[in-house]
Amino acid sequence: GAVVSQHPSRVICKSGTSVKIECRSLDFQATTMFWYRQFPKQSLMLMATSNEGSKATYEQGVEKDKFLINHASLTLSTLTVTSAHPEDSSFYICSARATRDRGLRGRYEQYFGPGTRLTVT
Amino acid sequence: DAKTTQPPSMDCAEGRAANLPCNHSTISGNEYVYWYRQIHSQGPQYIIHGLKNNETNEMASLIITEDRKSSTLILPHATLRDTAVYYCIPRGARTGKLIFGQGTTLQVKP
Repeated sequence: GAVVSQHPSRVICKSGTSVKIECRSLDFQATTMFWYRQFPKQSLMLMATSNEGSKATYEQGVEKDKFLINHASLTLSTLTVTSAHPEDSSFYICSARATRDRGLRGRYEQYFGPGTRLTVT
Repeated sequence: DAKTTQPPSMDCAEGRAANLPCNHSTISGNEYVYWYRQIHSQGPQYIIHGLKNNETNEMASLIITEDRKSSTLILPHATLRDTAVYYCIPRGARTGKLIFGQGTTLQVKP
């Protein structure tokens, strides 16, 4: 259980276009989802927190108009990179936090997706 | 959220125990210590977490010092597939965010 999927796993797009990445919790409901990006040889950087039915909260320095996040249901959040540029090329990873305790002593655990490799040419 | 200090890299012989330390001296009383690992080009994988008692599961053991300022993740019998970057993350109860530091790159060698 506790599987999070991302689609697509890899995407190549041209500069100036927009790309949508989906994050789905497959066997649990997630009120909250998180989006990270990771550059080569660096750690994960939290971009935003997405709550179902409300606006996302962005971390300092992350452009909300460039990285559009929609969390329309308890199992799906999307990240759209608008007007992508080569510097947006990165590994984008989502995580989902279960709405119910999955038996882990009262903590609401986060499960990560496999990541999406975005290359902007 | 508390800051962490982990050695940037460690080596371990296959079949031996891998002991990964983490310093989190500014951890607050309601922050759990979480450990995740990331194998190359994959999403992070949950390993274990604890508050103040030592914990063990099928993957690892977690030893937390009595003052909670540091912890050690123990992989009892490391295999080549345990080669990964290991992250120690105090997680705030209020925000629930997982803020990743630089982690420790563990290289298990045959």
